[in-house]
Amino acid sequence: RKEVEQDPGPFNVPEGATVAFNCTYSNSASQSFFWYRQDCRKEPKLLMSVYSSGNEDGRFTAQLNRASQYISLLIRDSKLSDSATYLCVVILYSGGYQKVTFGTGTKLQVIP
Amino acid sequence: DVKVTQSSRYLVKRTGEKVFLECVQDMDHENMFWYRQDPGLGLRLIYFSYDVKMKEKGDIPEGYSVSREKKERFSLILESASTNQTSMYLCASSSPAGDYGYTFGSGTRLTVV
Repeated sequence: RKEVEQDPGPFNVPEGATVAFNCTYSNSASQSFFWYRQDCRKEPKLLMSVYSSGNEDGRFTAQLNRASQYISLLIRDSKLSDSATYLCVVILYSGGYQKVTFGTGTKLQVIP
Repeated sequence: DVKVTQSSRYLVKRTGEKVFLECVQDMDHENMFWYRQDPGLGLRLIYFSYDVKMKEKGDIPEGYSVSREKKERFSLILESASTNQTSMYLCASSSPAGDYGYTFGSGTRLTVV
């Protein structure tokens, strides 16, 4: 089983739709979680951190389910500008080091 | 905002050449990383460094080396470039705990011919 798995998509959704992505992780000791956004031919940029209590930033909501070992990203009222690849990141702290694992990304295409 | 600067956006090198990719960050971060990104494979960690003069192998270090002589600069070296090292190379930095996430440079797209 991969350490971090994402559905590669693409998810093609109409403008205004609500879309959700999941990301599963295999190591239950993982401690920090993030969502990154990557536009075509650009670098990944931090979208939001993911907390156990869940967090919301405008149209974006991120949640963590430790029991089932997945994180989710919900985008409401999709805009054309949301079209990008969304990467999940899982961090495990061990022996003073961070082990950072990126998912391979889920591609979102918002259609007019 | 943290700024991570990679010296070249696009590079074309010949097989067998020694290639230097430079990365500089301006936020006094201890942690710096080099990744390569390939379609379908995602981001793969090549090397990382948690301090000056310190380096650790990532998941795919073969064919690469690194140098960190100053805190703000982390260099990736391809000792003898090969065509399978054609890729997008991304440098990143973070605070020690990494709990504020990683900031990436804009990437260097390297083509080895």
